[in-house]
Amino acid sequence: GAGVSQSPSNKVTEKGKDVELRCDPISGHTALYWYRQRLGQGLEFLIYFQGNSAPDKSGLPSDRFSAERTGESVSTLTIQRTQQEDSAVYLCASSLAASGAGGELFFGEGSRLTVL
Amino acid sequence: AQTVTQSQPEMSVQEAETVTLSCTYDTSESDYYLFWYKQPPSRQMILVIRQEAYKQQNATENRFSVNFQKAAKSFSLKISDSQLGDAAMYFCAYSLNRDDKIIFGKGTRLHILP
Repeated sequence: GAGVSQSPSNKVTEKGKDVELRCDPISGHTALYWYRQRLGQGLEFLIYFQGNSAPDKSGLPSDRFSAERTGESVSTLTIQRTQQEDSAVYLCASSLAASGAGGELFFGEGSRLTVL
Repeated sequence: AQTVTQSQPEMSVQEAETVTLSCTYDTSESDYYLFWYKQPPSRQMILVIRQEAYKQQNATENRFSVNFQKAAKSFSLKISDSQLGDAAMYFCAYSLNRDDKIIFGKGTRLHILP
């Protein structure tokens, strides 16, 4: 597609349920990022994929969070046993080059997760 | 650890006027990248401008320019001739050359007054 696509755009779930959030990056972009944005807050880094390298998982807040990426394509962020503090907008971004090389991040519109 | 601080949670500016958004960062590195991203109410973030730390010349993109003070670890964004479409959250961000994480500040919400 023309841009980064995320689904679902909105998800309401009950505490304790598992959720999956999907990200389709721009075709050809080797780098893919997940960020969490709580209401009124900045972007919190979660995980970063670059090509076939091992992902940088240093931002994942707990072992309830995990993410996978199929090659240089779709990524799925999974949150198990959701808690109310997981409520946030989850943003995905992709880049043609690593950000450290000055590559521009292209963001999706985010998935808004509400845990009741 | 690297941190990015935006001390102005909200700002307002009259249409057609100039406004400056502040950003400071903390790093022990000498080579890195700095960014300003804009998040309009539609939520999709876009890059406004970027600066390479080894370049002394301040980056400029049309009405947007930065004042990069490396010694002071300051990276402010100046918006000239403010337009209604400039209303958004603005995030300052930092990235190491050898580390691909981008670290974002908490943002400044900019209001444009007609």
